[in-house]
Amino acid sequence: EDQVTQSPEALRLQEGESSSLNCSYTVSGLRGLFWYRQDPGKGPEFLFTLYSAGEEKEKERLKATLTKKESFLHITAPKPEDSATYLCAVRPINNDMRFGAGTRLTVKP
Amino acid sequence: DTGVSQDPRHKITKRGQNVTFRCDPISEHNRLYWYRQTLGQGPEFLTYFQNEAQLEKSRLLSDRFSAERPKGSFSTLEIQRTEQGDSAMYLCASSLATDRYNYGYTFGSGTRLTVV
Repeated sequence: EDQVTQSPEALRLQEGESSSLNCSYTVSGLRGLFWYRQDPGKGPEFLFTLYSAGEEKEKERLKATLTKKESFLHITAPKPEDSATYLCAVRPINNDMRFGAGTRLTVKP
Repeated sequence: DTGVSQDPRHKITKRGQNVTFRCDPISEHNRLYWYRQTLGQGPEFLTYFQNEAQLEKSRLLSDRFSAERPKGSFSTLEIQRTEQGDSAMYLCASSLATDRYNYGYTFGSGTRLTVV
């Protein structure tokens, strides 16, 4: 069964304190792994797509990496405006996108 | 094109009533998806369309739920005889899909349904 598990559930950082969010997955063939950011009361906002192990993508303070079993979202020197829930999703070969429960990130000034 | 639009943003209804939500996708996108999200959880897949054809429905989607996408443009999601357990955020997303790639979904802001 296709599954996505994100950890930790919640993360509190001081401004400038770098850290990583984890997304572990099991799928019957991966067509893509996606990262989204979601602010309260809004729909998820697309960040990255990763297609194969070893691939990396960067956007401002965020960097996503992918292995055969997990993906990491690295946040370098975060700012309070990075506070949000970060969702990981996988698109298996024979199914539509499946989301994890998310990591709720809070960055304190 | 300003993205994916959903209407209404909020809906409060009494148990047993029918409700209908509308989604207008990005015009160049050929796929349209409906998801449901409850507090503290990630979005849960309900159904999707490629153009006007409904290609997949979740096993979790009861027969009280129906979705349409006439002419492959906007879509509606109807819930009949609403129950308190239907209270959730209903998200619509669209994407451009080819045989090889399915690009990242663009989500709307959602419709928050409260059944009282």
